[in-house]
Amino acid sequence: SQTIHQWPATLVQPVGSPLSLECTVEGTSNPNLYWYRQAAGRGLQLLFYSVGIGQISSEVPQNLSASRPQDRQFILSSKKLLLSDSGFYLCAWRGTGSTEAFFGQGTRLTVV
Amino acid sequence: AQRVTQPEKLLSVFKGAPVELKCNYSYSGSPELFWYVQYSRQRLQLLLRHISRESIKGFTADLNKGETSFHLKKPFAQEEDSAMYYCALRRASGSARQLTFGSGTQLTVLP
Repeated sequence: SQTIHQWPATLVQPVGSPLSLECTVEGTSNPNLYWYRQAAGRGLQLLFYSVGIGQISSEVPQNLSASRPQDRQFILSSKKLLLSDSGFYLCAWRGTGSTEAFFGQGTRLTVV
Repeated sequence: AQRVTQPEKLLSVFKGAPVELKCNYSYSGSPELFWYVQYSRQRLQLLLRHISRESIKGFTADLNKGETSFHLKKPFAQEEDSAMYYCALRRASGSARQLTFGSGTQLTVLP
């Protein structure tokens, strides 16, 4: 069966520090991968998606970047965090041809 | 551009009462609509999709293209229905076909 792992669960980082959130998927090949953010009081906002290794599409201009070094690995990064980067980050995957998306447990990021 | 609107951030109903979570969308093409749910301390997960025309846990949702709505309904709410509900839209075509989510509605079913 397929599983998705996302870590860490919570993270507190100072302003200006780097960020790396990792997401891995097991049990499937060539998934579509997604990073979403949920800011306080707002809905889920799509940040990045990837249809294959090295292929990253950004939905909104921002301080973050994403990379897909392996088929089932999706990384969210920042060189210098801003206070506004605080939020709840969700990784998700969807199989090609499937309509259902599966989500990770999420990472609560607080930038102080 | 596609957009999903859930006008209610918080909704409380008593156990056994009917519940309706509203969702409106804007999209120029033919969308696919979904409801996702997140129970306390659990992952966000798919509840139902309009193309399946299914009833899950007593919930149903009908796509009304004229009103561009996809409201989620249940005739008799249960306490275990308390959760965060997200309406989502996906393009019917295009690469990745990512989901666009609404801002969510926190449903509380009171005993």
